[in-house]
Amino acid sequence: VMTQSPATLSVSPGERVTLSCRASQTVGINVAWYQQKPGQAPRLLMHGASTRATGTPARFSGSGSGTEFTLTISSLQSEDVAVYYCHQYNNWPPVTFGGGTKVEI
Amino acid sequence: GRLVDSGGGLVRPGGSLTLSCAASGFTFRSFEMNWVRQAPGKGLEWVSYISSDGNTKYYADSVKGRFTISRDNAKSSLDLQMNGLRAEDTAIYYCVRVNGYFDYWGRGALVTVSS
Repeated sequence: VMTQSPATLSVSPGERVTLSCRASQTVGINVAWYQQKPGQAPRLLMHGASTRATGTPARFSGSGSGTEFTLTISSLQSEDVAVYYCHQYNNWPPVTFGGGTKVEI
Repeated sequence: GRLVDSGGGLVRPGGSLTLSCAASGFTFRSFEMNWVRQAPGKGLEWVSYISSDGNTKYYADSVKGRFTISRDNAKSSLDLQMNGLRAEDTAIYYCVRVNGYFDYWGRGALVTVSS
């Protein structure tokens, strides 16, 4: 089970944003983060806990290993408004996603 | 890489529907594939997995026995046959490429189960 917190985050443009994801058992660094903007399909943002996917801006960073993971946006931009999901791919099936964190301005 | 989902629509409870996914821009036969769905206003739910050669398949408990995943590597296509549809199967269904993590997602096909 992947548990994300908080469920919703209201922030101002330019603020630093920290999203958390906790795994119920150790998953190494096999965690990915996805960004889903309203009306769009999810998009891979980060994999291997800290490796930015192609096209992911440098203001996004990931960290963690084992059971605790963090996605950080160093300076929130308006286009970052989205729901962010974490996903562990160390032990599956079944595939487990976190419940999502909605980032709003 | 590009994935194009199709086949969604309105179906009555107990009915059947087949979703398709056309892949391009990568060597389809080399990659495992998944279907992931998202009910209206809800989070992501994994539905089914198929290995690159099509010999290994997994299903979520919620769809086991009702849904069947298949692929045609010669045509670079992925299918999801859905039988015995229920209202709770209403969702956008995404075709997803597996690279450990899920790196390419289709735009989704909306399935609505309603009388």
